[in-house]
Amino acid sequence: DIQLTQSPPFLSASVGDRVTITCRASQGISTNLVWWQQKPGKAPNLLMYAASTLQTGVPARFSGSGSGTEFTLTISSLQPEDFATYYCQQVDGYPRTFGQGTKVDIK
Amino acid sequence: EVQLMESGGGLVKPGESLTLSCAASGFNFKNAWMSWVRQASGKGLEWVGRIKTVSDVGPTDYGAPVKGRFTVSRDDSKNTLYLEMNSLKVEDTAVYFCATEVELGGRSVPLYWGQGALVTVSS
Repeated sequence: DIQLTQSPPFLSASVGDRVTITCRASQGISTNLVWWQQKPGKAPNLLMYAASTLQTGVPARFSGSGSGTEFTLTISSLQPEDFATYYCQQVDGYPRTFGQGTKVDIK
Repeated sequence: EVQLMESGGGLVKPGESLTLSCAASGFNFKNAWMSWVRQASGKGLEWVGRIKTVSDVGPTDYGAPVKGRFTVSRDDSKNTLYLEMNSLKVEDTAVYFCATEVELGGRSVPLYWGQGALVTVSS
């Protein structure tokens, strides 16, 4: 199975900060990676697919990059509604796997 | 509007069985790949399994912790997805989400999700 390692697991930041989350795959997955945002008590919401393609309706302050085994999700200027938990997921093969998550909270 | 509604959750004892249902509407269910994802309280997302359409070749895939105990099935005449869970363990306690997959970037991605059904396994 493909393992995904996210870092950091927790991140405290202020409104307006630039935030970067990293996801590392245990083997090469090309750009077959998606990013999710989840708020408490809600289902995840898709932010990014194919590593760097913004899902329709997602603000442009979110961006993604990477291929192979190293990926990043960047929020250019953190907004109040961005405080949430973020997950990467590989969609290269089965079983699908998720990273452990990164919780972004208010500093 | 795509709608997914899970039902059938509840409290069961270790070793018992439970079947979740996911009623789908707002899209062509019989042409959609469907999946289940779970999340234990305060923990991360865990992929459970995915079923293809009846017309697509290939097996139903499962995550390692549930393989051999859980079965994903579908009834296209009822627009309903199922998750049959046998030999339940305490560690299967979680909210179970169903999701419908869409092809994005050449890959199948679970774009639309239900609100989840809570399964608690406890003696």
